[in-house]
Amino acid sequence: AQTVTQSQPEMSVQEAETVTLSCTYDTSENNYYLFWYKQPPSRQMILVIRQEAYKQQNATENRFSVNFQKAAKSFSLKISDSQLGDTAMYFCAFMKHVYNNDMRFGAGTRLTVKP
Amino acid sequence: DAGVIQSPRHEVTEMGQEVTLRCKPISGHNSLFWYRQTMMRGLELLIYFNNNVPIDDSGMPEDRFSAKMPNASFSTLKIQPSEPRDSAVYFCASSFYDTTPWGEQFFGPGTRLTVL
Repeated sequence: AQTVTQSQPEMSVQEAETVTLSCTYDTSENNYYLFWYKQPPSRQMILVIRQEAYKQQNATENRFSVNFQKAAKSFSLKISDSQLGDTAMYFCAFMKHVYNNDMRFGAGTRLTVKP
Repeated sequence: DAGVIQSPRHEVTEMGQEVTLRCKPISGHNSLFWYRQTMMRGLELLIYFNNNVPIDDSGMPEDRFSAKMPNASFSTLKIQPSEPRDSAVYFCASSFYDTTPWGEQFFGPGTRLTVL
């Protein structure tokens, strides 16, 4: 079974600074998909960024980027130039492959951006 | 597109009552997922369907929980009888299951269930 671990229950960062959220996972698969979802106080789950395991290049989406270390089974999220609207719960998620498309989530990291 | 629609948004009921949560997936999506979120257990997958067929219901906690998907545009999650420990936020999500990669899941706004 795949497990996803987020070891930081809470983090805080000053506005405009950079913060990195950690995620590790356990799998015996060679190809899979990784995701970061954001859940603001509104409760809506919003996809932030995604990564295919067979792609070595780290994904980026504007201020969001990942550091994907396949050998270490690590998938951290970096938020640059943090904004107050980034305050939310962040969930790391793993999906084995598209033919078995259930997704497993980590416990989440609560990020607070301080003015 | 209206996105994934869930109803009701909030539900308060008494222990022992039947509760039915509803979900309308995004049009064209053929996978549907039910999740439960609590402080203690985080986000748990309860069950998911591909092309209206239940694929994996191993996350359903007890026989009191049941889910159906009678057609591609509607699913229900029923709890009968409900218990206080069922209090949680229940999310429905949908995606397009195909040979293409990603299968990104789009989440509904959730239903906050409180069982007194």
